[in-house]
Amino acid sequence: DADVTQTPRNRITKTGKRIMLECSQTKGHDRMYWYRQDPGLGLRLIYYSFDVKDINKGEISDGYSVSRQAQAKFSLSLESAIPNQTALYFCATQRTGDNEKLFFGSGTQLSVL
Amino acid sequence: RKEVEQDPGPFNVPEGATVAFNCTYSNSASQSFFWYRQDCRKEPKLLMSVYSSGNEDGRFTAQLNRASQYISLLIRDSKLSDSATYLCVVNDRGSTLGRLYFGRGTQLTVWP
Repeated sequence: DADVTQTPRNRITKTGKRIMLECSQTKGHDRMYWYRQDPGLGLRLIYYSFDVKDINKGEISDGYSVSRQAQAKFSLSLESAIPNQTALYFCATQRTGDNEKLFFGSGTQLSVL
Repeated sequence: RKEVEQDPGPFNVPEGATVAFNCTYSNSASQSFFWYRQDCRKEPKLLMSVYSSGNEDGRFTAQLNRASQYISLLIRDSKLSDSATYLCVVNDRGSTLGRLYFGRGTQLTVWP
């Protein structure tokens, strides 16, 4: 089983719909992150969390929200999806002090029509 | 100015070739540096950390030049399986977060 699991793997939705992407981890890491990746733009940080109920905005948080109710889970919500939120979304975990390496989930491809 | 800059490529090289990628970073306070590898539409995976003294892992050699604020990755004896996008990653210790900044990636294709 994967250490960092994202669901769903693919999602197609319509403009204005509420969408939730889930991330769960079995690594026991305290830090969790949500990134989006667009062609030619690289990875951009949306939100991150250093502990349960700790929430911090990244560089592109507008239009997104997150929830960290348990150490193992970090969910990302799009309250009202828009087409420019079409992207590949990655969840990542990190253990504080572990040379700062990130471990990524397999990604969620989201398409907003 | 972007925190981490990379030549996007693409680099197209034959099997057995040696290829080098460079990456520059803007924050002189940065302290940790990495190269990640990403296959098409897959998650990035850590390839190697980059240490001040330079380090080698098989066919891969990473170098850090703090004075010029650049990082390099050298791949010797390229294999078809090396085809991927290589991401330069820098930790910005100058911020309150110490979070990682990703370059946009350099695409490598190794042909037979």
